[in-house]
Amino acid sequence: EAGVAQSPRYKIIEKRQSVAFWCNPISGHATLYWYQQILGQGPKLLIQFQNNGVVDDSQLPKDRFSAERLKGVDSTLKIQPAKLEDSAVYLCASSFTGGNQPQHFGDGTRLSIL
Amino acid sequence: QKEVEQDPGPLSVPEGAIVSLNCTYSNSAFQYFMWYRQYSRKGPELLMYTYSSGNKEDGRFTAQVDKSSKYISLFIRDSQPSDSATYLCAMSAGGTSYGKLTFGQGTILTVHP
Repeated sequence: EAGVAQSPRYKIIEKRQSVAFWCNPISGHATLYWYQQILGQGPKLLIQFQNNGVVDDSQLPKDRFSAERLKGVDSTLKIQPAKLEDSAVYLCASSFTGGNQPQHFGDGTRLSIL
Repeated sequence: QKEVEQDPGPLSVPEGAIVSLNCTYSNSAFQYFMWYRQYSRKGPELLMYTYSSGNKEDGRFTAQVDKSSKYISLFIRDSQPSDSATYLCAMSAGGTSYGKLTFGQGTILTVHP
C-alpha cells in the first residue's frame, strides 16, 4: 500500500511571497488532515477534510492560509503572503473514514521563510 | 497550561535499557491515546493506539493509560539504536471532535550502542 505522498519536500521563499503544498492521500482514505509542525513542537492540526468538505478549520489562519480538496482525493495548502513565523514542516495525514481511525502521515514539506 | 504536556528530554540510554516515556493531559474528554515515532526528516509513524484506560503490548512496546490520573506512558524494552527518534504522544476526544489529534511536544530519545 502506497503511503501519503507530499511535494515538494523542501521550499525556501522570502516573506510576503506565496507558496503551495500538495498532498495525495492513501488510496480510499476519505479523511485528510493538514498539520503544522514547528521545530521542537508536536504537530498542530490546521484543517480536516471529509471527502471534499471541511470538517474542522478552527486553527487555520484564514487571512493567509487556504486549502482545498477537489474531487475528494488530492489536496493543496496555500500560504499567501508568508510570514517568518510560518517556517515549519507541513504534514499531511489521511485516515480511512475519519473519526478515531488511525492517521497515517506523509513525510511533510519543510518550509523556510527568509 | 497546554492540554498535553510531554517532557522534551533529550533522553539518552544505553542499548538494552528499558525506556519510559510519559505524557500528562488536562482534558478529561480524551478517550483515544496514541504514540507516534518520528525519525529525523520523516513523518510521524503510528506505534501504539489505545482506547480508554489499561495496558496494550506489542512486541517490545507497552502502552499504559491511567485516565484517573490523566497520565499515559510508553515503555520500550531491550531498546535498540534503531529506536533513536522523537516520540510523540497524541490523543483525541472522539464524538464531535471527530478525529482531531492533540499532540505533546515530543521526547527526543537516543539509544547508544
